[in-house]
Amino acid sequence: RKEVEQDPGPFNVPEGATVAFNCTYSNSASQSFFWYRQDCRKEPKLLMSVYSSGNEDGRFTAQLNRASQYISLLIRDSKLSDSATYLCVVNPSGGYQKVTFGIGTKLQVIP
Amino acid sequence: GAGVSQSPRYKVAKRGQDVALRCDPISGHVSLFWYQQALGQGPEFLTYFQNEAQLDKSGLPSDRFFAERPEGSVSTLKIQRTQQEDSAVYLCASSLEWAGDNQPQHFGDGTRLSIL
Repeated sequence: RKEVEQDPGPFNVPEGATVAFNCTYSNSASQSFFWYRQDCRKEPKLLMSVYSSGNEDGRFTAQLNRASQYISLLIRDSKLSDSATYLCVVNPSGGYQKVTFGIGTKLQVIP
Repeated sequence: GAGVSQSPRYKVAKRGQDVALRCDPISGHVSLFWYQQALGQGPEFLTYFQNEAQLDKSGLPSDRFFAERPEGSVSTLKIQRTQQEDSAVYLCASSLEWAGDNQPQHFGDGTRLSIL
């Protein structure tokens, strides 16, 4: 089993729709979690950290479920500019941030 | 302030040549990481520096890969006797502290390496 698993998609959704991605991780001791966004042929950029109690940033909501070992990202009112690949990132061991990336989930928002 | 800077942006080399990729992290960032990203995949960890010390090189795929950060700032990733499977985007990232939860990494644009 991979350390971090994501559905690669693509997820094709109409503008204004709500879309959610999940990401599962294998190491129950994992300490910190992030969602990064990567546009085509660009570098990954931090979208948001994921906190134990869940957190929201505008149209984006991230949640952590430690019992089931997954994190989720919810995007409300999708915009065309949300089209990108969303990378799930997990720090499996704590300490320094040797993180593990998922394969990424591709989102295409359609007019 | 300036972000993470990588050069060259693109590199084409013939199989068997040596290449050197440069990363200039954000000023003051203690941690520096190198990743390899193949097409359609997420970044894969190569190596980690805390200041000038290379604390983890477990992700380097072979002894042809070598990284250094002699003064704790700029880092160079060197690949000797390149092979076609080395073709990928090489990403450098830096972060402010060596430890602590929820410390994000800031990425450079990457070097797109093509081995002919």
